[in-house]
Amino acid sequence: EAQVTQNPRYLITVTGKKLTVTCSQNMNHEYMSWYRQDPGLGLRQIYYSMNVEVTDKGDVPEGYKVSRKEKRNFPLILESPSPNQTSLYFCASSSSPNTEAFFGQGTRLTVV
Amino acid sequence: ILNVEQSPQSLHVQEGDSTNFTCSFPSSNFYALHWYRWETAKSPEALFVMTLNGDEKKKGRISATLNTKEGYSYLYIKGSQPEDSATYLCAFGDNAGNMLTFGGGTRLMVKP
Repeated sequence: EAQVTQNPRYLITVTGKKLTVTCSQNMNHEYMSWYRQDPGLGLRQIYYSMNVEVTDKGDVPEGYKVSRKEKRNFPLILESPSPNQTSLYFCASSSSPNTEAFFGQGTRLTVV
Repeated sequence: ILNVEQSPQSLHVQEGDSTNFTCSFPSSNFYALHWYRWETAKSPEALFVMTLNGDEKKKGRISATLNTKEGYSYLYIKGSQPEDSATYLCAFGDNAGNMLTFGGGTRLMVKP
């Protein structure tokens, strides 16, 4: 079954404690991206990757890092989380930026 | 950051009503316009990806039109059903081809 898998689904952490949210897709897609969703603001793109070892900033990259060492995986790293990074995060993949995107299940992160 | 606006923000209709909502986007540098359906506690799912001015797409009772010259797309739902209750998101892809910019969404609630 074609899918994008994010883990964990829910996470409560404390300010400053490094965390990683994993994202994996099984569709051999080249394009992957991370979004955060906040009430009233829609989905905002954090980072995207056009292919292995090619990543770039989206609209709201501050406080986040990503890596793309393998085509299927695109982890999101918060080196020092802060409360303003409390949000719902989605990973998505597609064959290209302007084709249908497939979204993961979402990760609800709370930073206290 | 590109300006993609959706209206209305929310909409309550009765079962059987037909409804429509709007996505406005920059009319320059257009490449693609996406529509996604996002049910509560689930992931966004693609409805349509449109690339040509005048495009019309249909999936069951849902259809969409595209006007790239004036920068808008309409999503229509004919004979709304309670299971149509969801947030409908549009996303604009520009011809640099690297990012999708999402609107804030229209939340539709269909009362039985």
